[in-house]
Amino acid sequence: DTGVSQNPRHKITKRGQNVTFRCDPISEHNRLYWYRQTLGQGPEFLTYFQNEAQLEKSRLLSDRFSAERPKGSFSTLEIQRTEQGDSAMYLCASTPTDTQYFGPGTRLTVL
Amino acid sequence: GDSVTQMEGPVTLSEEAFLTINCTYTATGYPSLFWYVQYPGEGLQLLLKATKADDKGSNKGFEATYRKETTSFHLEKGSVQVSDSAVYFCALVKPMGSGGSNYKLTFGKGTLLTVNP
Repeated sequence: DTGVSQNPRHKITKRGQNVTFRCDPISEHNRLYWYRQTLGQGPEFLTYFQNEAQLEKSRLLSDRFSAERPKGSFSTLEIQRTEQGDSAMYLCASTPTDTQYFGPGTRLTVL
Repeated sequence: GDSVTQMEGPVTLSEEAFLTINCTYTATGYPSLFWYVQYPGEGLQLLLKATKADDKGSNKGFEATYRKETTSFHLEKGSVQVSDSAVYFCALVKPMGSGGSNYKLTFGKGTLLTVNP
């Protein structure tokens, strides 16, 4: 399978806990994006990597959120001290140019 | 800032009916335009794209034409099937950032399509 993969697919956590999601992009794609999608809305941009460099972060990405892409391969998105408002689908996408290819997403539920 | 507006859903059609989902955008410059489809419980799949004015994107019987004069990119299909039931997202990309390397997508809110047999 050469598509974008994300793990876990589902995560249920209690408020205040930390969670970490992983994204494995298509191997030859140097750009990687994270988006958040809440119910009934389109995905919203969170952050962007070109290779290992994080080049842009949305204002949606509070200081409880951190993302990394070591060695320009897979990426992780960590949320510290989760809140109920963090419940959403977290989508990862990769691209070599302007056409992004999405993974299946990680659905986070914060109780 | 850039934005995308889609027609409100949900849209319910009978099999073999004609489909139109309206999409208009606001952006400076020359964005690329996309339609993505999301089936229940899945991520987004690229359906079609157009990169310049008057381009027509097409895939799986779906079509959309980039109309710069009306800032629109309406999605059409001549005969829908039950398997087309999904949420459809219109989106734009305009290269931003240093050297124009950031291709972040701006999405509309999505339109839920239900096709009944």
